[in-house]
Amino acid sequence: QVQLVESGGGVVQPGRSLRLSCAASGFTFSRYAMHWVRQAPGKGLEWVAVIWYDRSNEYYADSVKGRFTISRDTSKNTLYLQMNSLRAEDTAFYYCARVNVHTAMVWYLDLWGRGTLVTVSS
Amino acid sequence: SSELTQDPAVSVALGQTVRITCQGDSLRSYFASWYQQKPGQAPVLVIYGKSNRPSGIPDRFSGSSSGNTASLTITGAQAEDEADYYCSSRDSSGNFVWVFGGGTKLTVL
Repeated sequence: QVQLVESGGGVVQPGRSLRLSCAASGFTFSRYAMHWVRQAPGKGLEWVAVIWYDRSNEYYADSVKGRFTISRDTSKNTLYLQMNSLRAEDTAFYYCARVNVHTAMVWYLDLWGRGTLVTVSS
Repeated sequence: SSELTQDPAVSVALGQTVRITCQGDSLRSYFASWYQQKPGQAPVLVIYGKSNRPSGIPDRFSGSSSGNTASLTITGAQAEDEADYYCSSRDSSGNFVWVFGGGTKLTVL
């Protein structure tokens, strides 16, 4: 079954760290770039970070740059998001999503996990 | 980085046609993709490219694009189409950035 399953969310105090995981199954994980996307409760989608299929590139939203690190372990078919120096405004559902590229002009996220909730609160 | 602009809310009568639009400079370089999100659920891709539908998406969903504007059209809206819809694309300025529109809440009357 083709799926992504996030884990690692929870309640964490401001300034602390948390690592999210996204387990991929049913497809060749090593062939796809992967995103993290978040959604604060009641708000819209916000892109967080992307990592290339071969780990050659990583890019981050300005809101998390320098605090979050995206990584992947192909041997475990798993995507990670290390979140440091967490703030209240990082409270959100975090989704991992697979990138598909149809042509140079056609990029899209064709597979999403169900998300994991991160709550930053004292 | 550029932004994608959507109307916050749109309504449509059951069985009628509705168009949801998305504007942004990045759409001059990259096609928009569209995602449907129902309450408590993850987003689901409904349209990508010119007007491509993933497997399982009804053919009442279609897309179009012109200049800096992309549109998602639902022809014969059904009650189950009531959801939030987000457009998205790769940004066209500088380093890699991915952008989402603010979302459109579709109400089927």
